[in-house]
Amino acid sequence: AQSVTQLDSQVPVFEEAPVELRCNYSSSVSVYLFWYVQYPNQGLQLLLKYLSGSTLVKGINGFEAEFNKSQTSFHLRKPSVHISDTAEYFCAVSTFTGNQFYFGTGTSLTVIP
Amino acid sequence: NAGVTQTPKFHILKIGQSMTLQCTQDMNHNYMYWYRQDPGMGLKLIYYSVGAGITDKGEVPNGYNVSRSTTEDFPLRLELAAPSQTSVYFCASKWSGSAPNTDTQYFGPGTRLTVL
Repeated sequence: AQSVTQLDSQVPVFEEAPVELRCNYSSSVSVYLFWYVQYPNQGLQLLLKYLSGSTLVKGINGFEAEFNKSQTSFHLRKPSVHISDTAEYFCAVSTFTGNQFYFGTGTSLTVIP
Repeated sequence: NAGVTQTPKFHILKIGQSMTLQCTQDMNHNYMYWYRQDPGMGLKLIYYSVGAGITDKGEVPNGYNVSRSTTEDFPLRLELAAPSQTSVYFCASKWSGSAPNTDTQYFGPGTRLTVL
């Protein structure tokens, strides 16, 4: 079975500072990895995904994530955050076989002016 | 395209009552999902469907039922509602071909359900 751990439930950061949101996964098979963002009272939308190839993945809104197979991690980063980045961020994993996605518990990012 | 739409947005249900949460997508997606999101928890998969007429259980199916008679609609039925079913429910859809687990899911805005 697969599982996802998001190590920080809340991350406050000042505007224009860098941020890293951590995600670790557990799986006995190869995985695909995703980061979704949820703005207040909205559904989730995809930020970026890692399927194969380059371990550094760039997504929308200036976010990027790096897949580290040896550390089973997929941390999300942004070099300079904006107020509009305040949201809940979810890491998710799927596998080649099976039809399910597994989500982490989410990290609430608050950008402080 | 409206994308994925869900109704109602909010609902309060009494213990033991039943109701149906509606989900419709206009993107001709073959896969559809129902998730629940509890405070401090990630999304948990309730049921999913890979096409019209085909449904299967996810992680937390107990107390729920689904049907998929058309490509567009994927209603979620709660029978004999219990307080443990108080949650935010999200419907999602995606188009998948040969590698379904690589594809992006598109989520609806959610239904906030309270069972009292």
